[in-house]
Amino acid sequence: GAVVSQHPSRVICKSGTSVKIECRSLDFQATTMFWYRQFPKQSLMLMATSNEGSKATYEQGVEKDKFLINHASLTLSTLTVTSAHPEDSSFYICSARDPSGTGAYEQYFGPGTRLTVT
Amino acid sequence: KNQVEQSPQSLIILEGKNCTLQCNYTVSPFSNLRWYKQDTGRGPVSLTIMTFSENTKSNGRYTATLDADTKQSSLHITASQLSDSASYICVVSAKRGSTLGRLYFGRGTQLTVWP
Repeated sequence: GAVVSQHPSRVICKSGTSVKIECRSLDFQATTMFWYRQFPKQSLMLMATSNEGSKATYEQGVEKDKFLINHASLTLSTLTVTSAHPEDSSFYICSARDPSGTGAYEQYFGPGTRLTVT
Repeated sequence: KNQVEQSPQSLIILEGKNCTLQCNYTVSPFSNLRWYKQDTGRGPVSLTIMTFSENTKSNGRYTATLDADTKQSSLHITASQLSDSASYICVVSAKRGSTLGRLYFGRGTQLTVWP
């Protein structure tokens, strides 16, 4: 199946700093990528939909100025957590939709990034 | 309200035994239902995906069923292995015009397989 990578896998940062997380589709072009946040023992919560070449669409309650999303190419989307606070500590997962062939309905998830804000 | 409910919340079984996980949903209009396996600290990995017309689909020791009339799905794991210990997440996709609709996630069933 298709592969989606995330970098870094885990990051620790100090409160007030910004952190960038990268999401890459390695063997397909993804016009649409999604960013999720997952707290312990909770389901994935969609934060935003990232469309290549256009502005991201944010879910209700997600601050677009705090969680900056850039989908600059068909294989890369980035999520920047600005002015991070301890409550932003979470597991961030991206997914990418493969629009081609038999994968038309499939979303492939990245391995996730564990963010800890101290 | 579009929701996905999974049961049980957690399950412990002995290695080699079978188990069945349940998923009930109220998502409408329905597009497809997926089961994912998520290991701790990892992203979800797809096990099966079923559309409205499919009643059952297998992937190795995993067999998923779908009853679109009652809006229920199950995931049956046969001859469990220690590596099956993970969270199993039911995800339902809604239709939205001609584009793929959003995904609705269950909270998952945490399966632990003991030797």
